[in-house]
Amino acid sequence: LAKTTQPISMDSYEGQEVNITCSHNNIATNDYITWYQQFPSQGPRFIIQGYKTKVTNEVASLFIPADRKSSTLSLPRVSLSDTAVYYCLVGLGYGGATNKLIFGTGTLLAVQP
Amino acid sequence: DTEVTQTPKHLVMGMTNKKSLKCEQHMGHRAMYWYKQKAKKPPELMFVYSYEKLSINESVPSRFSPECPNSSLLNLHLHALQPEDSALYLCASGGAKNTEAFFGQGTRLTVV
Repeated sequence: LAKTTQPISMDSYEGQEVNITCSHNNIATNDYITWYQQFPSQGPRFIIQGYKTKVTNEVASLFIPADRKSSTLSLPRVSLSDTAVYYCLVGLGYGGATNKLIFGTGTLLAVQP
Repeated sequence: DTEVTQTPKHLVMGMTNKKSLKCEQHMGHRAMYWYKQKAKKPPELMFVYSYEKLSINESVPSRFSPECPNSSLLNLHLHALQPEDSALYLCASGGAKNTEAFFGQGTRLTVV
């Protein structure tokens, strides 16, 4: 399984765009990149998933360069409620019957007023 | 219904007790997971069930015993736990063709 490396923590202010980068140098051809958000004492919540190039949904964008050895989660105009831990996962998609869904160390994003 | 329900929310048990954690989903997912999460650490995978059969056991001690009675239910039976087993236990489910896994809110377990 591909190992992921993320910054341990990041600080931002309300209204700013936040970019969190994840390195996954030994990503396999069939691996997808998935990001989850977790608040204290709650279960992780799916944010976005991609395979290559750019994916956008109503809450975030995911940028994946051509070599797929890294990815960047972009959160537009963060608010205080975006303060959470963000996890980057790499594997065979997600939710599949044999998918291990291994979490990396995560990035604690702290949003200040 | 995109919910994974875990009960109880909190559990305190002695080292000689036997207790069970329960997880339920009605999304038709055929893969279900148990994770253990210690404070300020990422969730650690414990077990994966696929079509009600245990498919992955991440070398979890036998004092943790999973069970999948049917496609909607997942149990984790606990016996002779140690204080270091105190953690947040998370259940998740995902369908083979879905594009995300759904997590429950977890059971906060304290072993005294």
